[in-house]
Amino acid sequence: FILTQPHSVSESPGKTVTISCTRSSGNIASKYVQWYQHRPGSPPITVIEEDDQRPSWVPDRFSGSIDPSSNSASLSISGLMPEDEADYYCQSYDSKSVIIGGGTKLTV
Amino acid sequence: EQLVQSGGGLVKPGGSLRLSCVGSGFIFTNAWMSWVRQAPGKGLEWIGRIKSMNDGGATDDIEAVRGRFIISRDDSKSTVFLQMSGLKIEDTGVYYCASGLVGLDVWGQGTTVTVSS
Repeated sequence: FILTQPHSVSESPGKTVTISCTRSSGNIASKYVQWYQHRPGSPPITVIEEDDQRPSWVPDRFSGSIDPSSNSASLSISGLMPEDEADYYCQSYDSKSVIIGGGTKLTV
Repeated sequence: EQLVQSGGGLVKPGGSLRLSCVGSGFIFTNAWMSWVRQAPGKGLEWIGRIKSMNDGGATDDIEAVRGRFIISRDDSKSTVFLQMSGLKIEDTGVYYCASGLVGLDVWGQGTTVTVSS
Protein backbone atom coordinates (compact mmCIF):
# COMPACT_ATOMS: atom_id res chain seq x y z
CA PHE A 1 0.00 0.00 0.00
CA ILE A 2 1.02 3.66 -0.25
CA LEU A 3 0.42 6.63 2.01
CA THR A 4 -0.67 9.83 0.28
CA GLN A 5 -0.09 13.25 1.80
CA PRO A 6 -0.75 16.74 0.44
CA HIS A 7 2.38 18.19 -1.09
CA SER A 8 2.21 21.39 0.92
CA VAL A 9 0.12 23.32 3.42
CA SER A 10 0.40 26.87 4.63
CA GLU A 11 -1.06 28.62 7.67
CA SER A 12 -0.46 31.70 9.78
CA PRO A 13 1.25 31.76 13.19
CA GLY A 14 -1.15 30.98 16.04
CA LYS A 15 -3.56 29.07 13.82
CA THR A 16 -4.18 25.33 13.58
CA VAL A 17 -3.21 23.15 10.64
CA THR A 18 -4.10 19.54 9.89
CA ILE A 19 -2.09 17.28 7.58
CA SER A 20 -3.76 14.18 6.19
CA CYS A 21 -2.27 10.80 5.30
CA THR A 22 -4.48 8.43 3.32
CA ARG A 23 -3.80 4.73 3.07
CA SER A 24 -4.46 3.33 -0.40
CA SER A 25 -5.50 -0.19 0.59
CA GLY A 26 -5.98 -2.11 3.76
CA ASN A 27 -7.34 -0.74 7.00
CA ILE A 28 -5.61 2.34 8.43
CA ALA A 29 -6.34 1.03 11.90
CA SER A 30 -4.64 -2.30 11.28
CA LYS A 31 -1.10 -0.93 11.75
CA TYR A 32 0.16 1.98 13.80
CA VAL A 33 0.90 5.30 12.10
CA GLN A 34 3.82 7.51 13.09
CA TRP A 35 4.55 11.13 12.15
CA TYR A 36 7.99 12.69 11.74
CA GLN A 37 9.14 16.29 11.56
CA HIS A 38 12.10 16.86 9.27
CA ARG A 39 14.00 20.11 9.12
CA PRO A 40 16.78 20.68 6.56
CA GLY A 41 20.17 19.56 7.77
CA SER A 42 18.83 17.53 10.68
CA PRO A 43 17.55 13.97 10.99
CA PRO A 44 13.79 13.42 11.31
CA ILE A 45 12.27 13.32 14.77
CA THR A 46 9.13 11.55 15.90
CA VAL A 47 6.27 13.87 16.81
CA ILE A 48 3.51 11.23 16.99
CA GLU A 49 3.84 7.49 17.51
CA GLU A 50 1.31 4.67 17.56
CA ASP A 51 -1.44 6.77 15.91
CA ASP A 52 -1.94 9.33 18.65
CA GLN A 53 0.82 9.06 21.25
CA ARG A 54 3.03 12.07 21.77
CA PRO A 55 6.62 11.49 22.92
CA SER A 56 7.52 13.35 26.09
CA TRP A 57 9.68 15.91 24.27
CA VAL A 58 6.91 16.96 21.88
CA PRO A 59 4.68 19.89 22.93
CA ASP A 60 0.99 19.19 23.35
CA ARG A 61 0.26 21.46 20.40
CA PHE A 62 0.89 18.33 18.31
CA SER A 63 -1.80 15.65 18.12
CA GLY A 64 -2.49 12.63 15.97
CA SER A 65 -5.60 10.68 15.07
CA ILE A 66 -6.92 8.08 12.67
CA ASP A 67 -10.25 8.02 10.84
CA PRO A 68 -11.30 4.58 9.60
CA SER A 69 -14.18 6.08 7.61
CA SER A 70 -11.72 7.88 5.32
CA ASN A 71 -8.94 5.34 5.86
CA SER A 72 -6.62 8.15 6.84
CA ALA A 73 -4.48 9.47 9.65
CA SER A 74 -4.07 13.12 10.57
CA LEU A 75 -1.52 15.29 12.29
CA SER A 76 -2.79 18.52 13.82
CA ILE A 77 -0.61 21.34 15.05
CA SER A 78 -2.26 24.11 17.01
CA GLY A 79 -0.86 27.50 18.00
CA LEU A 80 1.48 27.40 15.03
CA MET A 81 4.94 28.79 15.62
CA PRO A 82 7.57 29.71 13.05
CA GLU A 83 9.76 26.83 14.22
CA ASP A 84 7.04 24.36 13.19
CA GLU A 85 7.94 25.08 9.58
CA ALA A 86 9.32 21.80 8.29
CA ASP A 87 8.50 18.73 6.23
CA TYR A 88 6.18 16.22 7.88
CA TYR A 89 6.00 12.54 7.00
CA CYS A 90 3.55 9.84 8.01
CA GLN A 91 4.76 6.25 8.26
CA SER A 92 3.23 2.83 8.70
CA TYR A 93 4.32 -0.71 7.92
CA ASP A 94 3.36 -4.19 6.85
CA SER A 95 4.97 -7.58 7.33
CA LYS A 96 7.69 -6.94 4.76
CA SER A 97 8.30 -3.21 4.67
CA VAL A 98 8.11 0.21 6.22
CA ILE A 99 6.01 2.65 4.22
CA ILE A 100 6.64 6.39 4.36
CA GLY A 101 4.31 8.97 2.86
CA GLY A 102 5.53 11.46 0.30
CA GLY A 103 5.83 14.25 2.84
CA THR A 104 4.07 17.57 3.36
CA LYS A 105 5.88 20.88 3.43
CA LEU A 106 4.41 23.08 6.15
CA THR A 107 4.90 26.81 5.70
CA VAL A 108 4.13 29.01 8.70
CA GLU B 1 19.81 6.61 22.71
CA GLN B 2 22.06 7.51 19.81
CA LEU B 3 23.05 6.34 16.36
CA VAL B 4 26.30 7.59 14.85
CA GLN B 5 26.92 7.06 11.17
CA SER B 6 30.10 6.92 9.13
CA GLY B 7 31.02 6.24 5.56
CA GLY B 8 29.58 7.91 2.52
CA GLY B 9 31.28 10.12 -0.01
CA LEU B 10 31.74 10.44 -3.74
CA VAL B 11 31.76 7.35 -5.92
CA LYS B 12 31.56 6.70 -9.65
CA PRO B 13 28.60 4.90 -11.21
CA GLY B 14 29.04 1.17 -10.79
CA GLY B 15 31.18 1.65 -7.70
CA SER B 16 30.75 0.45 -4.15
CA LEU B 17 30.49 2.05 -0.74
CA ARG B 18 29.85 0.85 2.80
CA LEU B 19 27.96 2.84 5.41
CA SER B 20 28.18 2.07 9.13
CA CYS B 21 25.91 3.00 12.00
CA VAL B 22 26.86 2.49 15.66
CA GLY B 23 24.19 2.42 18.32
CA SER B 24 24.50 3.34 21.98
CA GLY B 25 22.23 3.94 24.94
CA PHE B 26 19.86 1.11 24.10
CA ILE B 27 19.93 -2.68 23.78
CA PHE B 28 21.22 -2.94 20.22
CA THR B 29 20.74 -6.71 20.03
CA ASN B 30 16.97 -6.24 20.34
CA ALA B 31 16.77 -3.49 17.74
CA TRP B 32 15.35 -3.73 14.24
CA MET B 33 17.56 -1.48 12.15
CA SER B 34 16.46 0.33 9.00
CA TRP B 35 18.09 2.44 6.33
CA VAL B 36 16.24 5.43 4.88
CA ARG B 37 17.45 7.76 2.15
CA GLN B 38 16.50 11.14 0.77
CA ALA B 39 17.41 12.03 -2.79
CA PRO B 40 17.99 15.73 -3.52
CA GLY B 41 14.68 17.56 -3.54
CA LYS B 42 12.72 14.38 -2.78
CA GLY B 43 11.06 12.83 0.23
CA LEU B 44 12.24 10.15 2.61
CA GLU B 45 12.44 6.64 1.17
CA TRP B 46 12.76 3.52 3.29
CA ILE B 47 15.16 1.17 1.53
CA GLY B 48 15.49 -1.79 3.88
CA ARG B 49 15.96 -3.23 7.33
CA ILE B 50 17.45 -6.06 9.31
CA LYS B 51 15.56 -7.66 12.14
CA SER B 52 17.11 -8.48 15.49
CA MET B 53 18.85 -11.83 15.73
CA ASN B 54 16.25 -12.84 18.30
CA ASP B 55 13.64 -12.31 15.58
CA GLY B 56 15.65 -14.22 13.02
CA GLY B 57 17.94 -11.54 11.67
CA ALA B 58 16.22 -11.53 8.26
CA THR B 59 16.40 -8.58 5.93
CA ASP B 60 13.72 -6.84 3.86
CA ASP B 61 14.36 -4.26 1.17
CA ILE B 62 12.80 -2.43 -1.73
CA GLU B 63 12.94 -3.55 -5.32
CA ALA B 64 15.13 -0.62 -6.40
CA VAL B 65 18.10 -1.82 -4.34
CA ARG B 66 17.55 -5.58 -4.30
CA GLY B 67 20.64 -7.45 -5.33
CA ARG B 68 22.83 -4.34 -5.08
CA PHE B 69 22.54 -3.32 -1.42
CA ILE B 70 23.15 -5.65 1.52
CA ILE B 71 22.23 -4.87 5.09
CA SER B 72 24.10 -6.69 7.85
CA ARG B 73 24.78 -6.29 11.54
CA ASP B 74 27.49 -6.98 14.08
CA ASP B 75 25.84 -6.99 17.48
CA SER B 76 29.20 -7.38 19.22
CA LYS B 77 30.02 -3.90 17.92
CA SER B 78 26.44 -2.53 18.09
CA THR B 79 26.81 -1.74 14.41
CA VAL B 80 24.64 -2.07 11.33
CA PHE B 81 26.07 -1.84 7.85
CA LEU B 82 24.76 -0.90 4.43
CA GLN B 83 26.98 -2.36 1.73
CA MET B 84 26.16 -0.69 -1.57
CA SER B 85 27.42 -1.94 -4.91
CA GLY B 86 26.51 -1.28 -8.52
CA LEU B 87 25.75 2.28 -7.51
CA LYS B 88 23.66 4.38 -9.85
CA ILE B 89 23.33 8.13 -10.16
CA GLU B 90 19.82 7.87 -8.74
CA ASP B 91 21.27 6.42 -5.51
CA THR B 92 22.63 9.88 -4.70
CA GLY B 93 21.25 11.30 -1.49
CA VAL B 94 21.47 11.49 2.26
CA TYR B 95 21.31 8.10 3.95
CA TYR B 96 19.99 7.64 7.47
CA CYS B 97 20.04 4.62 9.72
CA ALA B 98 17.15 4.32 12.15
CA SER B 99 16.06 1.91 14.85
CA GLY B 100 12.58 0.76 15.71
CA LEU B 101 10.11 -2.06 15.36
CA VAL B 102 6.88 -0.25 14.58
CA GLY B 103 8.25 3.20 13.93
CA LEU B 104 11.66 4.71 13.31
CA ASP B 105 12.35 5.85 16.84
CA VAL B 106 16.00 6.87 16.77
CA TRP B 107 17.78 8.28 13.74
CA GLY B 108 21.41 8.65 12.82
CA GLN B 109 22.74 12.04 11.79
CA GLY B 110 22.74 11.12 8.11
CA THR B 111 25.57 10.72 5.64
CA THR B 112 25.79 11.91 2.06
CA VAL B 113 26.35 9.55 -0.85
CA THR B 114 27.10 11.13 -4.21
CA VAL B 115 27.23 8.95 -7.31
CA SER B 116 28.76 10.88 -10.17
CA SER B 117 31.28 10.43 -12.92
